[in-house]
Amino acid sequence: AQTVTQSQPEMSVQEAETVTLSCTYDTSENNYYLFWYKQPPSRQMILVIRQEAYKQQNATENRFSVNFQKAAKSFSLKISDSQLGDTAMYFCAFKGGNTGNQFYFGTGTSLTVIP
Amino acid sequence: DSGVTQTPKHLITATGQRVTLRCSPRSGDLSVYWYQQSLDQGLQFLIQYYNGEERAKGNILERFSAQQFPDLHSELNLSSLELGDSALYFCASSKTDYYGYTFGSGTRLTVV
Repeated sequence: AQTVTQSQPEMSVQEAETVTLSCTYDTSENNYYLFWYKQPPSRQMILVIRQEAYKQQNATENRFSVNFQKAAKSFSLKISDSQLGDTAMYFCAFKGGNTGNQFYFGTGTSLTVIP
Repeated sequence: DSGVTQTPKHLITATGQRVTLRCSPRSGDLSVYWYQQSLDQGLQFLIQYYNGEERAKGNILERFSAQQFPDLHSELNLSSLELGDSALYFCASSKTDYYGYTFGSGTRLTVV
């Protein structure tokens, strides 16, 4: 079974600063997809960023970027210029290329942006 | 609006009862997934349907069942409800693996 581990249950960051959320995963597959989802207090699950394992280049979406280390099975999310609206629970997710269509989610990191 | 519609948004019911949660996927998405999110267990995969057929099954209790109709909307049926079934139930749809899931806003089920 695939496992996704987020070792930081809670984090905080000052507004305008940078924060990095950690995620590690365990898989024997070579082709897979990784995602970060954001769940604000509204509880809506919002896709933040995606990464394909075969791509060496780290994905970037505006203030959000990832550090994908395939050998280390690590997929961290960096949020630059943090904004109050970034306050949310962040979930890391894994989707295998060969293990059906289920996504495996980590337990989440609760991020608070402090004004 | 994500394009995935879930109804109702809130549901309060008594133990032993049966409820039906409804999900309409985003236009063009053939896959529908159901997840349960409770405080102590994170997001748990329940079941997936693809174009009307069950594709994958996760930690879904025997008291729970689901189906996907020809118009691609899906229903999750929860019966003999227990207090522990209180949770947020998400539906998600996807077009391809690359794009990931698009989630609905969830149904908050409270069993009293």
